[in-house]
Amino acid sequence: DIQMTQSPASLSASLGETVTIECRASEDIYSNLAWYQQKPGNSPQLLIYDANSLADGVPSRFSGSGSGTQYSLKINSLQSEDVASYFCQQYNNYPPLTFGSGTKLEIK
Amino acid sequence: EVQLVESGGGLVQPGRSLKLSCAASGFTFSNYYMAWVRQAPKKGLEWVATISTSGSRTYYPDSVKGRFTISRDNAKSSLYLQMNSLKSEDTATYYCATVGGSRYWYFDFWGPGTMVTVSS
Repeated sequence: DIQMTQSPASLSASLGETVTIECRASEDIYSNLAWYQQKPGNSPQLLIYDANSLADGVPSRFSGSGSGTQYSLKINSLQSEDVASYFCQQYNNYPPLTFGSGTKLEIK
Repeated sequence: EVQLVESGGGLVQPGRSLKLSCAASGFTFSNYYMAWVRQAPKKGLEWVATISTSGSRTYYPDSVKGRFTISRDNAKSSLYLQMNSLKSEDTATYYCATVGGSRYWYFDFWGPGTMVTVSS
């Protein structure tokens, strides 16, 4: 099984800041990586797929990058509505599909 | 607009069974692989099952294989999850989700979820 190691577990940043969340796979996943946002009390929503493709309706301040085993999600100009937990997920080698443990983002 | 609405959750004793349903609308259900993903309270996401468009192929992680069965009724645009021999560790919110493609198994739309509590 591919292990997904996500960091940091929690993050506090100021409005307008840029934040980065990292995800490391235990083996090469060839950019078959998605990022999800889960706002408090809601279901997850797809943000990014194929490591760097923005899902429909997702603001352009969100971006994904990476290759091989290292991937990142960047949020530019942090907004209050970005308070959420963020999860990465690999879909290169399955089953099983595997998720990162999540990053909880708060506003400072 | 894609809509997925889960139902069937509740409190169930260990060892008993429960069947979840997911009603889909706003897209051609029969064209999509579908999946169940769960989230234990205050925990991360765990993939539970995926089913092909026709229902002929199903996939599970070891944690539920042999106990859970995913199925679908394309005529009713409905997805199901039969859960048998439930354990306390199956306590979670269960989400129904559309799968991005037959090869690319990310989840592009999610329902609001239904809570399952396994406890005596």
